[in-house]
Amino acid sequence: NAGVTQTPKFQVLKTGQSMTLQCAQDMNHEYMSWYRQDPGMGLRLIHYSVGAGITDQGEVPNGYNVSRSTTEDFPLRLLSAAPSQTSVYFCASSGGQDSLFFNYGYTFGSGTRLTVV
Amino acid sequence: DQQVKQNSPSLSVQEGRISILNCDYTNSMFDYFLWYKKYPAEGPTFLISISSIKDKNEDGRFTVFLNKSAKHLSLHIVPSQPGDSAVYFCAASAKSGANNLFFGTGTRLTVIP
Repeated sequence: NAGVTQTPKFQVLKTGQSMTLQCAQDMNHEYMSWYRQDPGMGLRLIHYSVGAGITDQGEVPNGYNVSRSTTEDFPLRLLSAAPSQTSVYFCASSGGQDSLFFNYGYTFGSGTRLTVV
Repeated sequence: DQQVKQNSPSLSVQEGRISILNCDYTNSMFDYFLWYKKYPAEGPTFLISISSIKDKNEDGRFTVFLNKSAKHLSLHIVPSQPGDSAVYFCAASAKSGANNLFFGTGTRLTVIP
């Protein structure tokens, strides 16, 4: 049972480069989200999706783009990397229903550590 | 503006004793609260949650208490074990199944054998 799979695990980018962080889940979850974790700031929501074809912005969306063409995949695109985007990125998914959310919460991937130089 | 606050960055407890991790929130619209546990180089894992219609939820050694009037919740771990050593995040949501999960900054718990 893979759960939520994120690739790559580590990435170094130069300022101005673009890249896509991959996220895939095999639990048929409707809800998927991207978070970033920075020291002293906890996890902050970047973008989220409530189903295929539906996405919306979270707390810190600037500089990032998402799309959701399938239930399984939710890639995060960095359009033009900046040093301020150096962070650990987590993808998460949830069944989206009251009982699933309450009992199981969100399932997180193991993270992508991104450094922008 | 941090809507969920964990004011203690770290906590050390002897094995077998109780660990109490605290969390405060400012948004009165929050109605679901969750605790996550995180080991280094891994993603957070769901531990326990509570709805605002309850004031206590228990799961084995873990109990979460909610005081809505004080906008405060706490996680009790009894008895504490060395394997509980991790960073614990408190999180809150304004709507069930919602995507906007607000996290605290985390408390690093160390259980001393």
